Amino acid sequence: SQQGEEDPQALSIQEGENATMNCSYKTSINNLQWYRQNSGRGLVHLILIRSNEREKHSGRLRVTLDTSKKSSSLLITASRAADTASYFCATPTQGGSEKLVFGKGTKLTVNP
Amino acid sequence: NAGVMQNPRHLVRRRGQEARLRCSPMKGHSHVYWYRQLPEEGLKFMVYLQKENIIDESGMPKERFSAEFPKEGPSILRIQQVVRGDSAAYFCASSPKTSYDNEQFFGPGTRLTVL
Repeated sequence: SQQGEEDPQALSIQEGENATMNCSYKTSINNLQWYRQNSGRGLVHLILIRSNEREKHSGRLRVTLDTSKKSSSLLITASRAADTASYFCATPTQGGSEKLVFGKGTKLTVNP
Repeated sequence: NAGVMQNPRHLVRRRGQEARLRCSPMKGHSHVYWYRQLPEEGLKFMVYLQKENIIDESGMPKERFSAEFPKEGPSILRIQQVVRGDSAAYFCASSPKTSYDNEQFFGPGTRLTVL
């Protein structure tokens, strides 16, 4: 079963607007990571937030984590056409291999 | 410091042929993960290797698929007797160690098309 589930599945906004994507997960986590994937390309690591953190910023990105609700959000402020991509949240399994479990992603389109 | 390298970037095979996908981790990284991505889907874990050892292959099909990470050279994901359902993007990620954070760095992927 999916550990991370993003919503919405697709989001279309105008350049300059903010984009918010949400992720829910099922089990307890040590951290949650957000990745970006441009069409037909590999994944780029955006930001990692640990379970004892509530909010983290990186440039135009703001990530929140609510462990009581098992959810996270990614906010991209002042979006640009270049932000058009799919965004995935991922959580490492605890113990053992710590493989990443990904959701299906949110496909963001930023219209110029 | 070069990132994770994968080759080939695109691979076309006919049903029944073998596919070999290579992954060179980042310098200093001794942990390699392979993931598969179907169209419009997220990545699904396949296998986790350290040098000369398979640590977790719980996501890899029992038949036709194998992986290795030899002492020297890249990690190899091998798919024997490919079928159309094997068509997907295969991504490799490397990590310096099994750390508390386990940040993984991804390669550009190999897109396998089975005709």
